[in-house]
Amino acid sequence: EPEVTQTPSHQVTQMGQEVILRCVPISNHLYFYWYRQILGQKVEFLVSFYNNEISEKSEIFDDQFSVERPDGSNFTLKIRSTKLEDSAMYFCASSIVNTEAFFGQGTRLTVV
Amino acid sequence: QKEVEQDPGPLSVPEGAIVSLNCTYSNSAFQYFMWYRQYSRKGPELLMYTYSSGNKEDGRFTAQVDKSSKYISLFIRDSQPSDSATYLCAMSPASGGSYIPTFGRGTSLIVHP
Repeated sequence: EPEVTQTPSHQVTQMGQEVILRCVPISNHLYFYWYRQILGQKVEFLVSFYNNEISEKSEIFDDQFSVERPDGSNFTLKIRSTKLEDSAMYFCASSIVNTEAFFGQGTRLTVV
Repeated sequence: QKEVEQDPGPLSVPEGAIVSLNCTYSNSAFQYFMWYRQYSRKGPELLMYTYSSGNKEDGRFTAQVDKSSKYISLFIRDSQPSDSATYLCAMSPASGGSYIPTFGRGTSLIVHP
């Protein structure tokens, strides 16, 4: 069964460092998303990506964040200068249209 | 008022019970309604989705949407300890505007043997 895969599963970084979280969406999907979930809190939307550009972003997705689809399969989230409050689970998701989104297993980002 | 409201629980039931999980919403543009299951420290797993109003059944799971009341439910029959997880509702519009699913905060379900 096709699935969204994310790497790494856990990333520890020092405050102020740049991190890149990687995702391989399901191959025939057209919409790609990043969400985050701070421990014990709700799943929060960060950004959506369609047709090689950002289609929507939340207020969380500020200038420290960027997304790329560098080739036909990968979808990355970059955080330029990490802060302690960026510590969370980051989920990549993909969907065919605006129906069910399939999530990856997440990357746990710990900023120390 | 939050767009999607969901009681965080926890909801504790004995094995075999019928479980009812619910969400209310305020945005009348929502047309797609989804239920996800999330085990601790794992990604949300899509259980079911429905379009507009009505019922949908899949095995032990039944999803109901009442758009007139802006209320959706997920029923789990013959609940099992393996059903213990957090259940997230999510919903999105059908057209125009944002397609981004908006999530509830999740209800923690505990099924004890």
